[in-house]
Amino acid sequence: AQSVTQLGSHVSVSEGALVLLRCNYSSSVPPYLFWYVQYPNQGLQLLLKYTTGATLVKGINGFEAEFKKSETSFHLTKPSAHMSDAAEYFCAVINSGAGSYQLTFGKGTKLSVIP
Amino acid sequence: DARVTQTPRHKVTEMGQEVTMRCQPILGHNTVFWYRQTMMQGLELLAYFRNRAPLDDSGMPKDRFSAEMPDATLATLKIQPSEPRDSAVYFCASGLGQGGETQYFGPGTRLLVL
Repeated sequence: AQSVTQLGSHVSVSEGALVLLRCNYSSSVPPYLFWYVQYPNQGLQLLLKYTTGATLVKGINGFEAEFKKSETSFHLTKPSAHMSDAAEYFCAVINSGAGSYQLTFGKGTKLSVIP
Repeated sequence: DARVTQTPRHKVTEMGQEVTMRCQPILGHNTVFWYRQTMMQGLELLAYFRNRAPLDDSGMPKDRFSAEMPDATLATLKIQPSEPRDSAVYFCASGLGQGGETQYFGPGTRLLVL
């Protein structure tokens, strides 16, 4: 079984400050990991994903995440927050390999950016 | 720009009525997923299909919900009869069917059952 824990349902940062959204996962096999963003009244949009290879993954809008197997973490960061980053962010995990289709989501972290 | 489309975007209905939601997956994708999002439960997987065949619908209340793929370009989710507790946003997503692949989400259907 797999699970995702996102620490902090709400995070507030000042415009220009570092964004750090935390995600820890549990998986019995090597995982694939995802971050999705949801803007108000919209669907989920893929920010970035980790499958294999380089553990630091760069995504859209200046976001990146680092896969740390020893810490079972996949935290999302952005050096400088912009007002347009205000949204809800979801971390998700899926077992790697053929036959794995069930994506497990965290509860989400709502990011507010203070001008 | 290939996208998953969903109709209707909004639906208000009365308890006991039938609700049908439709999804058109991205052309060439052969997995389709139905999710429900509520404030209390977050994102829940209801059912998913591969090559139009249902793989898992254990997340779905069987007595009132049904999901089908009449053809490769259309997935439907029906609720009959609807209840106020079904009020939620229902998302459809599609993927290439390779296992472990990215899922691409539609804009959702916002359902309110009075």
